Amino acid sequence: DVKVTQSSRYLVKRTGEKVFLECVQDMDHENMFWYRQDPGLGLRLIYFSYDVKMKEKGDIPEGYSVSREKKERFSLILESASTNQTSMYLCASSLIWGREETQYFGPGTRLLVL
Amino acid sequence: EDKVVQSPLSLVVHEGDTVTLNCSYEVTNFRSLLWYKQEKKAPTFLFMLTSSGIEKKSGRLSSILDKKELFSILNITATQTGDSAIYLCAVCDGNNRKLIWGLGTSLAVNP
Repeated sequence: DVKVTQSSRYLVKRTGEKVFLECVQDMDHENMFWYRQDPGLGLRLIYFSYDVKMKEKGDIPEGYSVSREKKERFSLILESASTNQTSMYLCASSLIWGREETQYFGPGTRLLVL
Repeated sequence: EDKVVQSPLSLVVHEGDTVTLNCSYEVTNFRSLLWYKQEKKAPTFLFMLTSSGIEKKSGRLSSILDKKELFSILNITATQTGDSAIYLCAVCDGNNRKLIWGLGTSLAVNP
């Protein structure tokens, strides 16, 4: 079974803080993704990565950065958290582009920025 | 602009009913269509469809794709309260590895 884990289920931060969200997958997947999910807006892609040290902007990258130093780990960084970044953050991974694109999700992190 | 539209947005049924959820898409470089179920946590994968007319089935759930008319349906027969969830449809864009997501159908199954 694919297992994707995220470092925190719930997180409360203050405006201006630097926030790190970590995601780890144990199935040697090439591709990893960060989404945020908000009511009425659905799932929106922030960043994704198809290889170690590679990253691509998604649809809403502003205010975020990512890091992928190891294949199994993909981190999302909020450089200076703002209240409009309060959301559910979902990490996902998929095996290999061109052969298996199904994305498997972690349990999510609910982030509240005060 | 590529898009995925799901209907209805929400649905309330009684246990035992059969429901059909719809997903239509306009994606320039279609690669596959995926269905997910989301309860109060992360989406879990249900089906991936790539070919028209071939039904995928898992228990009481089934799904089919029509690439000519650009839609897919997800059927749930003999619904149970445990089927209450948001059902998400996504299309894989063959150009850029991304999934284009619909907003989901919220299904409530009442006892």
